[in-house]
Amino acid sequence: AQTVTQSQPEMSVQEAETVTLSCTYDTSESNYYLFWYKQPPSRQMILVIRQEAYKQQNATENRFSVNFQKAAKSFSLKISDSQLGDTAMYFCAFLTGFQKLVFGTGTRLLVSP
Amino acid sequence: GAGVSQSPSNKVTEKGKDVELRCDPISGHTALYWYRQSLGQGLEFLIYFQGNSAPDKSGLPSDRFSAERTGGSVSTLTIQRTQQEDSAVYLCASSLGGTALSYGYTFGSGTRLTVV
Repeated sequence: AQTVTQSQPEMSVQEAETVTLSCTYDTSESNYYLFWYKQPPSRQMILVIRQEAYKQQNATENRFSVNFQKAAKSFSLKISDSQLGDTAMYFCAFLTGFQKLVFGTGTRLLVSP
Repeated sequence: GAGVSQSPSNKVTEKGKDVELRCDPISGHTALYWYRQSLGQGLEFLIYFQGNSAPDKSGLPSDRFSAERTGGSVSTLTIQRTQQEDSAVYLCASSLGGTALSYGYTFGSGTRLTVV
């Protein structure tokens, strides 16, 4: 079974600084997809960024980028120029075989002024 | 609709009562998922509907939990004889099926269930 591990329950960062959230996963599959979702206090899960395992190039979306290390089964999220609106829970998730997303336990990020 | 709609937003119920949670997915989305998020926990998969296929019920925690999806659209998650450990946020998500699943899901805002 696939598992996703987020080892940082909470992180803090000051506005305008950079923060990296860690995620590791376990799978025997070779083709899969990885995601980072953001959950603000409104509870709605918002897709932040997506990575295809067969692509070596790391995905980027504006201030958000990933460091995807397939051999190490690591998928970290870097947030540059952090903003107060980035305060949220962040979940790493894994998808294979076009089935269901498997989520990690989340990292609570607090951005302070 | 424009997004995934869930109702009610919040529900308080007495232990032992039955509850129904509703999810209205994005029009045209054939895949529909229910997840449970307990306090301080990640998202726990409950059930998955894909088109006319038999649903994947492998995540339902007990036979008190059931779900149906009528007409390939609206879904209802029913919890019978609620227990305090059922208190959680129940999230629904939908997606286009097949390879479109690789682009992730669209989630609703969830129903916070509190069993007292």
